[in-house]
Amino acid sequence: GAGVSQTPSNKVTEKGKYVELRCDPISGHTALYWYRQSLGQGPEFLIYFQGTGAADDSGLPNDRFFAVRPEGSVSTLKIQRTERGDSAVYLCASSPMTSGALGEQFFGPGTRLTVL
Amino acid sequence: AQSVAQPEDQVNVAEGNPLTVKCTYSVSGNPYLFWYVQYPNRGLQFLLKYITGDNLVKGSYGFEAEFNKSQTSFHLKKPSALVSDSALYFCAVRDDGSGNTPLVFGKGTRLSVIA
Repeated sequence: GAGVSQTPSNKVTEKGKYVELRCDPISGHTALYWYRQSLGQGPEFLIYFQGTGAADDSGLPNDRFFAVRPEGSVSTLKIQRTERGDSAVYLCASSPMTSGALGEQFFGPGTRLTVL
Repeated sequence: AQSVAQPEDQVNVAEGNPLTVKCTYSVSGNPYLFWYVQYPNRGLQFLLKYITGDNLVKGSYGFEAEFNKSQTSFHLKKPSALVSDSALYFCAVRDDGSGNTPLVFGKGTRLSVIA
C-alpha cells in the first residue's frame, strides 16, 4: 500500500516568504508527527496530532510555525516570514492508533526547504 | 527528559565483517527503543524495536540489537556487513507513558561498508 507522502520534495524560497509543506499519512493512521532534520543532526520533534487536534506542539520553535490537520488526515505545516535558519528537511510520520506507544512511526521522504 | 547518544559519527567496516553501531539512552520510565535507517533522498525506514521481553531483538535485513538495562544501551549489530548496508542509522527512544508520544532521536551514525 501507499506510504507517507510529502509535497513538495524540494522547496526553495526567499527570506521573509511564506511556505506550506504538505503531508499525506498512511490511510487510517490517526497519529501524525512533524519533525525537522538539520544537516548532521537527527530528526527533532515539532508537533504531533491525534486526529484533528494537536496533542503536543511543544517542539514548534516559535510562533512563525503552525500546523493544521482539519479532517484528521492530510496535514499542512505552515512557516511565516521564513528565515535562513529554517532551512532543513521537514519530515512527516504517521502511526496507527492501535499501536499506542509501542508502535513504530512510518516516515515520509521529507521536504527539503532552502531559504535563501 | 529523554535523550539518546550515538557516540560515533562514523563507523567503517569491511564487507563480511561484523558491525556494531552504538546507542545509549536516558528516560525517566521504562524505555521503548527503536532503530531507523536513512538512505540518501529517502525517508527513515524502521529496522527494529525493543519494548519488552528478550534483550536481543531481531529486525529487518539481518540486523539485531541488544538491550542492556544496566548500561542503558541498545547497540545495533549485524554478523556480516554488506556494502548495501552503508547508510545513516538513527537510534530513538520514548518512555513508557501513554499515547503516541514523539520519538527522541540521536544525532545519527554514518555506516560505511567497504568492499
